[in-house]
Amino acid sequence: EVQLVESGGGFVQPGGSLRLSCSASGFTFNTCAMNWVRQAPGKGLEWVSGISLTGSGTYYADSVKGRFTISRDNSKNTVYLQMNRLRAEDTAIYYCAKPVLSINKVRGYLTAFDYWGQGSLVTVSS
Amino acid sequence: DIQMTQSPSSLSASVGDRVTITCRASQGISYYLAWYQQKPGKVPELLISAASALQSGVPSRFSGSGSGTEFTLTISSLQPEDVATYYCQEYSSGPLSFGGGTKVQIK
Repeated sequence: EVQLVESGGGFVQPGGSLRLSCSASGFTFNTCAMNWVRQAPGKGLEWVSGISLTGSGTYYADSVKGRFTISRDNSKNTVYLQMNRLRAEDTAIYYCAKPVLSINKVRGYLTAFDYWGQGSLVTVSS
Repeated sequence: DIQMTQSPSSLSASVGDRVTITCRASQGISYYLAWYQQKPGKVPELLISAASALQSGVPSRFSGSGSGTEFTLTISSLQPEDVATYYCQEYSSGPLSFGGGTKVQIK
């Protein structure tokens, strides 16, 4: 059974930092690009960042580029999102998402997502 | 960057009605289009990928069509359990983008 479990969310003041983790199981993690998607309260879905299966390629939305860093540890089946210089508009539930394998094989992080974690809430407020 | 525009933003229909949601891409994305269903308080679930490929376990009343810039998600006979917000997502090129969502309610 595929499981994605996010952790590390919480309350932080503007300008602060948080690191999210997503622990994966139930699939061959090191063959999958991974992505983070967020959803602000009452709003739609926004793609945040993606990482290639080896970690050599990282990709970001313009809204987080230069502030967020995605990484992975394939020995721990975990993907991370380091979030620095946080802003109020970063307040959201952050989801870790697994790619559809057949798409991932050909297109890497450019994929649809067939499994999502339960999400980790990040609140940025003074 | 590719922009995805969904319409309508919300709709209300009766049980048994045929419901159609449209998603337009700002440039051609071939068939690299997915549809998700998100029920209130729940995580998004993938319904369709590659514009028309139904995910395993998804009821056959859901179908997707289109290519290039215009896509549709159709629910052939709306059921009470279909109350949700539906999102399209393109995966043609980075950055990935989602449509704004369509909230479906029962009349």
